[in-house]
Amino acid sequence: GEDVEQSLFLSVREGDSSVINCTYTDSSSTYLYWYKQEPGAGLQLLTYIFSNMDMKQDQRLTVLLNKKDKHLSLRIADTQTGDSAIYFCAEIHSNQGGKLIFGQGTELSVKP
Amino acid sequence: DTEVTQTPKHLVMGMTNKKSLKCEQHMGHRAMYWYKQKAKKPPELMFVYSYEKLSINESVPSRFSPECPNSSLLNLHLHALQPEDSALYLCASSLGTGSYEQYFGPGTRLTVT
Repeated sequence: GEDVEQSLFLSVREGDSSVINCTYTDSSSTYLYWYKQEPGAGLQLLTYIFSNMDMKQDQRLTVLLNKKDKHLSLRIADTQTGDSAIYFCAEIHSNQGGKLIFGQGTELSVKP
Repeated sequence: DTEVTQTPKHLVMGMTNKKSLKCEQHMGHRAMYWYKQKAKKPPELMFVYSYEKLSINESVPSRFSPECPNSSLLNLHLHALQPEDSALYLCASSLGTGSYEQYFGPGTRLTVT
């Protein structure tokens, strides 16, 4: 199957950590990506993880991958108002010509 | 440099008009993509070009016609569009069409009247 699922909304207070979750169904996924989209803008690639990794950290961002449960999460430490955006997780199958399968997106709202 | 540029930023066109969207990248990427995105929805893949050849067409209506004149440029020619085609059109590029990260442009906001 090609379903990638995310919860639609998340609201946090400034300074707290945010955790955005994603589940995927295709175990042949090679890479999994997190994109950020601010209002009226394109998609910004935040980070990605190869399917044989469990964790990747990049400054305030931590990606965790549980391949057994097909669960991916993005943790944003010390969340700021500038982090308010829609976050999309996506998987890619190398044998499908580079087609990205996106989740529905999680709208993160950061309150001061 | 991971920049993909798109012009114009905004476009308003009537249903009988012909217009074109342009996309450019200078990262040496050999795969380029067109996506359509409705508000608060994920992008939907339309076309993929690999080494200047069309490799994927996701059953897009013929009123959308892609063109890849060279490895840095991607166009989307529009003709006889419908109001439901109003959307954000995003271009992306990647090193190749395997498991390579895709970099997106800022998009063209299209309104069909």
